[in-house]
Amino acid sequence: EIVLTQSPGTLSLSPGERATLSCRASQRVSSTYLTWYQQKPGQAPRLLIYGASSRATGIPDRFSGSGSGTDFTLTISRLEPEDFAVYYCQQYGSTQFTFGPGTKVEIK
Amino acid sequence: QLLLQESGPGLVKASETLSLSCTVSGDSVSSTTDYWVWIRQPPGKGLEWIGSIYYSGSTYYNPSLKSRATISVDTSKNQFSLHLYSVTAADTAVYYCARERTTLFDIWGQGTMVTVSS
Repeated sequence: EIVLTQSPGTLSLSPGERATLSCRASQRVSSTYLTWYQQKPGQAPRLLIYGASSRATGIPDRFSGSGSGTDFTLTISRLEPEDFAVYYCQQYGSTQFTFGPGTKVEIK
Repeated sequence: QLLLQESGPGLVKASETLSLSCTVSGDSVSSTTDYWVWIRQPPGKGLEWIGSIYYSGSTYYNPSLKSRATISVDTSKNQFSLHLYSVTAADTAVYYCARERTTLFDIWGQGTMVTVSS
């Protein structure tokens, strides 16, 4: 099983600042199968980034994804008030899906 | 517009079976491009994939559940279901159904909270 580790656990930032979230895998993950989700309190997760770097439909261009192999990054260029949420990375491999533990982006 | 809606008891007794259904509207569970999945989230914790099913009935599961989960599909009702056997307090969670398209989960239900009581 591929284990995903996300850091930091919590990121305290102000609106307008840049957020950089890390997702590290215990084994190599194909970029095709690395996905990011956003979850707000009381809501289901929302697809954000797929294929490590492609934005899902309707996702603003301030969100970007990058990385390959075992290290992936989600960047929010300028935080908007609605971006404060928990972000999860997810991978698929060998007919198994795993999620990272999440990074909470909170208002400083 | 594709919508998924979970339904089922919100309270289950320990050692019994948790049974949930997901009704799909705006798409067909018989779609040849999609799988249908169950994912859960214990209170205050992260997400755990439970398993996936194709319209043909082909399934694959998270091995951590040690064969306690069964997912089935009813194409006539445009629904798929989850049965989780021998539940314990550790199975208390929000349960989501979702569409799996090319190994990502693009459409989610709103989720349903299931509490396991002793």
